[in-house]
Amino acid sequence: GNSVTQMEGPVTLSEEAFLTINCTYTATGYPSLFWYVQYPGEGLQLLLKATKADDKGSNKGFEATYRKETTSFHLEKGSVQVSDSAVYFCALTIFINTGTASKLTFGTGTRLQVTL
Amino acid sequence: DAGVTQSPTHLIKTRGQQVTLRCSPKSGHDTVSWYQQALGQGPQFIFQYYEEEERQRGNFPDRFSGHQFPNYSSELNVNALLLGDSALYLCASSLAGTVYGYTFGSGTRLTVV
Repeated sequence: GNSVTQMEGPVTLSEEAFLTINCTYTATGYPSLFWYVQYPGEGLQLLLKATKADDKGSNKGFEATYRKETTSFHLEKGSVQVSDSAVYFCALTIFINTGTASKLTFGTGTRLQVTL
Repeated sequence: DAGVTQSPTHLIKTRGQQVTLRCSPKSGHDTVSWYQQALGQGPQFIFQYYEEEERQRGNFPDRFSGHQFPNYSSELNVNALLLGDSALYLCASSLAGTVYGYTFGSGTRLTVV
């Protein structure tokens, strides 16, 4: 089956530090990959996505590159802010050519805490 | 443009009771999926509804059932509640045939006591 593995948290960084959150996946077929962010007490927000190998998703200073050879989709940001403190989820989906969207498979999440 | 709306936001139920959660999808979306997120875990797929039918189902018992209405809104029903059903229940809407158009609601926090 499909699965996503994320690095364990929490990750604690000082403001302006460099962030990397590792994500690797196992999938049958050709997945699309996502990073979602969840702020305290809220639902999930799509942060970025990549739908094919070597695609780079980017948003709000965050980046992740779809690496098929290493089955990875690591999240990076050059300079984190206190407002980036949240839980980050890596996820994948496999397109089913039946007219419906496939389910999302999530990792367990990585909590990021950024301090001044 | 309204996003995904879920109700209620919080709910407390007693073991053995039944609960119904509701979801209105984002305008233009026709598919609704439900996820269960236990504390400290990633969301787990429960099922997906499209054209008023259950199209996919995750590894959840039959106590979990759902419905989709002609206006694309959806309900999640859980019977015979267990303490382990306590979680955040998330609804996600999307457009059939797409792979990256999921929009999530803020969820319903269910506590079973």
